[in-house]
Amino acid sequence: SQQGEEDPQALSIQEGENATMNCSYKTSINNLQWYRQNSGRGLVHLILIRSNEREKHSGRLRVTLDTSKKSSSLLITASRAADTASYFCAGGGYGGATNKLIFGTGTLLAVQP
Amino acid sequence: NAGVTQTPKFQVLKTGQSMTLQCAQDMNHNSMYWYRQDPGMGLRLIYYSASEGTTDKGEVPNGYNVSRLNKREFSLRLESAAPSQTSVYFCASSLLATATGELFFGEGSRLTVL
Repeated sequence: SQQGEEDPQALSIQEGENATMNCSYKTSINNLQWYRQNSGRGLVHLILIRSNEREKHSGRLRVTLDTSKKSSSLLITASRAADTASYFCAGGGYGGATNKLIFGTGTLLAVQP
Repeated sequence: NAGVTQTPKFQVLKTGQSMTLQCAQDMNHNSMYWYRQDPGMGLRLIYYSASEGTTDKGEVPNGYNVSRLNKREFSLRLESAAPSQTSVYFCASSLLATATGELFFGEGSRLTVL
């Protein structure tokens, strides 16, 4: 399978804490994207980091990318109950296939109020 | 703007029946995609269309066919449905012909094959 893997599969934290999710992928990519999916809904794009970038911020989100280790992490700071959702990483240009975006298996985040 | 619209939202089929999932986007995007989502498997790419008039296989194309009817519409057809095709299907689109930009997703079509 070309799919990436995410760790942990499930994460439960208290409101106000930080949440960190990790993603590993198997071959070369030209960007790494993170998406969020609320229960029963479609996916929504959160942030994109290019292969020549190491870190990117957007609001309460911080993403890092380590191409040598083929891994990425998503940090959500000061989490809120509304952040409860599944989070997916996705590799763009996976294995040189410029039209493919391959998703990981996701992390289910539960933020307790 | 509606974004990406999928129909139907829910469908129950019997084994061997055929059906078509419809997808339309109103963002003038070049590329469109069909994914399936199964518990514990994340999203897997079935087919994609980089631009009008082209289609290519993704990770799990067996048992499916697609048609890029025009720039707006990309349909997914199951010719002879099997229980293994029970899943949630998502259509997505992106502006660029390459996966260098974000994807916009529909709300999903929940298919059960008995």
